Amino acid sequence: DIQMTQSPSSLSASVGDRVTITCRASQGISTYLAWYQQKPGKVPKLLICSVSTLQSGVPSRFSGSGSGTDFTLTISSLQPEDVATYYCQNYLSAPFTFGPGTKVDIK
Amino acid sequence: EVQLVESGGGLVKPGGSLRLSCAASGLTFSNAWMSWVRQAPGKGLEWVGRIKSRTDGGTTDYAAPVKGRFTISRDDSKDTLYLQMNSLKTEDTAVYYCTTCGSTITSRRSLSDNWGQGTLVTVSS
Repeated sequence: DIQMTQSPSSLSASVGDRVTITCRASQGISTYLAWYQQKPGKVPKLLICSVSTLQSGVPSRFSGSGSGTDFTLTISSLQPEDVATYYCQNYLSAPFTFGPGTKVDIK
Repeated sequence: EVQLVESGGGLVKPGGSLRLSCAASGLTFSNAWMSWVRQAPGKGLEWVGRIKSRTDGGTTDYAAPVKGRFTISRDDSKDTLYLQMNSLKTEDTAVYYCTTCGSTITSRRSLSDNWGQGTLVTVSS
């Protein structure tokens, strides 16, 4: 099974900062990588699929990059409404494992 | 608008069984690939399993921790997804979400862009 790791596990940044979250797969998953956002007390939301394809309505300050085993989610200018935990997910092959999550808050 | 409504959660003793249901609306359920994702209290997301549409074979896949104990099924006549959970363990305690993806791209159909509100399963003696 493919294992997903994320770093850091948490971060604190100021409004307007550029934030980068890293996700690593234990084996190559090409571009079958998705990102989810889960705000406190809310249901998760699919942000990005295929590494960099933003879902409808997702602000353009979010972007994704990478391929193979190493991926990043970038928030170009952190906003208060971005406080959430972010998860990556492999969907190359079942089981479609999630990463452990990265908690983002405002400094 | 897609709506997914889970039910059937509750308190069960270790070794017991429980069946969760997910009533779907706002989509052509028979064409949808459906998944279960769980989240233990204060923990991250864990993919549980997925069932393809009947026209795509109706096959299922499961995460290792639940394989052989959990069974996903569907009743397309009732637009309902099920998760039969047997031999429950304390580590199965979690909120269980029913999910689906509206994409027509095959590789994306196992993603989760529609989520229910979840149903809590507590396994405790």
